[in-house]
Amino acid sequence: DGGITQSPKYLFRKEGQNVTLSCEQNLNHDAMYWYRQDPGQGLRLIYYSQIVNDFQKGDIAEGYSVSREKKESFPLTVTSAQKNPTAFYLCASSIQSSPPINEQFFGPGTRLTVL
Amino acid sequence: LAKTTQPISMDSYEGQEVNITCSHNNIATNDYITWYQQFPSQGPRFIIQGYKTKVTNEVASLFIPADRKSSTLSLPRVSLSDTAVYYCLVGALHGSSNTGKLIFGQGTTLQVKP
Repeated sequence: DGGITQSPKYLFRKEGQNVTLSCEQNLNHDAMYWYRQDPGQGLRLIYYSQIVNDFQKGDIAEGYSVSREKKESFPLTVTSAQKNPTAFYLCASSIQSSPPINEQFFGPGTRLTVL
Repeated sequence: LAKTTQPISMDSYEGQEVNITCSHNNIATNDYITWYQQFPSQGPRFIIQGYKTKVTNEVASLFIPADRKSSTLSLPRVSLSDTAVYYCLVGALHGSSNTGKLIFGQGTTLQVKP
């Protein structure tokens, strides 16, 4: 089955620790994205990548880092510099096309709780 | 990126048609209008996309007037399982404008009652 996977589903960490969230896709999509969602809120874009070895900051990149060494993978590291890391994290991917198709495929999400 | 405004919440009953309207006064020429659906603790799911006039697929219709400053998502004969948050987005992931991103607002929470 083609799809996008995130692991783990739930993650607990102590304050001050860095943590890396995994995101893998086998859809052969060029673009990948990381979003954060807080209770009752919409999604906010953290980072996105349109091609391997390149990525762009989204609206709330401070305290996060990413890498895009392979087309299939786009891991997100939540660093100790992120002041309020507890949230639901969603990874997505999309094709690049012209005219554009604004369809992003989302993973199941990782719920991070920092104690 | 164009800002969107949509109602925070709506109620409906099973079997009714639901129309959710979104305002996007400063939509750009290259922007497309896209709607997503999200269930609790899941990622959003693409519903429909349009540029102008009317678009219909197996689950919804999207009505866009000539000035494109608003759009209406129409869900025919809703069921309890349509209870979800619906997001209106304006932009273009790729193509000539190539902003590379979409902005999700707070969305409209639709509650379908029996």
